[in-house]
Amino acid sequence: KAGVTQTPRYLIKTRGQQVTLSCSPISGHRSVSWYQQTPGQGLQFLFEYFSETQRNKGNFPGRFSGRQFSNSRSEMNVSTLELGDSALYLCASSLLGQGGYTFGSGTRLTVV
Amino acid sequence: GIQVEQSPPDLILQEGANSTLRCNFSDSVNNLQWFHQNPWGQLINLFYIPSGTKQNGRLSATTVATERYSLLYISSSQTTDSGVYFCAVEDDSGYSTLTFGKGTMLLVSP
Repeated sequence: KAGVTQTPRYLIKTRGQQVTLSCSPISGHRSVSWYQQTPGQGLQFLFEYFSETQRNKGNFPGRFSGRQFSNSRSEMNVSTLELGDSALYLCASSLLGQGGYTFGSGTRLTVV
Repeated sequence: GIQVEQSPPDLILQEGANSTLRCNFSDSVNNLQWFHQNPWGQLINLFYIPSGTKQNGRLSATTVATERYSLLYISSSQTTDSGVYFCAVEDDSGYSTLTFGKGTMLLVSP
């Protein structure tokens, strides 16, 4: 079966711009979560969606937002980009309570 | 929140050697996974192991939930085993959230 698909793979944006990242989960998985990875902070939880509802949010500013669609695909948006937002953004999908999380290949965002 | 500590932070091995990576966590967990991050950044799931022992080829893992630790064993290491190994846990709060350790950077030299 197809894995978790993230698009785009690479992105270069300018400070102040906004960006939207996409994640398509494994078929049948309704929980999608997002993580940010930076050299300084490691892997940090951003938010989690289940059945189009945000169930949990990490400690990130309001510039970071997301949504989930009825087909379980999810998008995250970062507005007013800062240099510190440069990171690898990883998406994971899971069947709640079963079998763990599967991650996509990530989107590497560079803010210049 | 739950704390996850991995040791050692770095490990250098000769090809063919064995190694043990450790993950300690501070509270009870619903889920524990070991991941290997490949050079392109993808987290490859090695084990889903909230408790017990599992083996997959040269890799095996053991989680002792009551003592709040997990071990990842790599036997007969190969250069392709190089990379960063992460332990991640999901606490029992009911939220689908993984908390990651800082990882173990493994370098296997020929």
